[in-house]
Amino acid sequence: AQSVAQPEDQVNVAEGNPLTVKCTYSVSGNPYLFWYVQYPNRGLQFLLKYITGDNLVKGSYGFEAEFNKSQTSFHLKKPSALVSDSALYFCAVRDSGDDKIIFGKGTRLHILP
Amino acid sequence: DGGITQSPKYLFRKEGQNVTLSCEQNLNHDAMYWYRQDPGQGLRLIYYSQIVNDFQKGDIAEGYSVSREKKESFPLTVTSAQKNPTAFYLCASGTSGADTQYFGPGTRLTVL
Repeated sequence: AQSVAQPEDQVNVAEGNPLTVKCTYSVSGNPYLFWYVQYPNRGLQFLLKYITGDNLVKGSYGFEAEFNKSQTSFHLKKPSALVSDSALYFCAVRDSGDDKIIFGKGTRLHILP
Repeated sequence: DGGITQSPKYLFRKEGQNVTLSCEQNLNHDAMYWYRQDPGQGLRLIYYSQIVNDFQKGDIAEGYSVSREKKESFPLTVTSAQKNPTAFYLCASGTSGADTQYFGPGTRLTVL
């Protein structure tokens, strides 16, 4: 069965510093990996995805994520954090043999001015 | 949120009442999904539909029902059998296969 873990409930980063939000996954086939962001009382917004190809994926708002097959990880990164990046971030995975996406429990990112 | 609408934004219900949440999309997507979001638990899949007139149970389908009579619409009914219905409900749509899901703005249901 597929699963995804976000080991940190909350991450605090000073504005202007690089940020990383961690995600690890488990699938039996090939993984399709996603990152979403959620602002208060809103739906989820798509940031980026990895299906195949280059391990470094670039997405919206300057975010990127690196697929690491040996470590089964897909960490979200940004070189310089903005206060407006403060939100709830979800990692999600779909097994190539399945038609459902499994979401992590979310990581709350606080960017401190 | 563009292309997917959910109504109402806030909904209050008395115990023992059924209530229906609306989800409409104009993205021409085949697949539609309903999730429930509770604090600290992420998103849990309630029902999904890959094609009109067909749908499948997700992980927490008990106490919920859906229909998919039109491609654009996937309403969710929260029945009185749902023991703890107070939550934030999110609808999503996507093309088939491994493609991205796009989310509506959500409906916050509170049972009084």
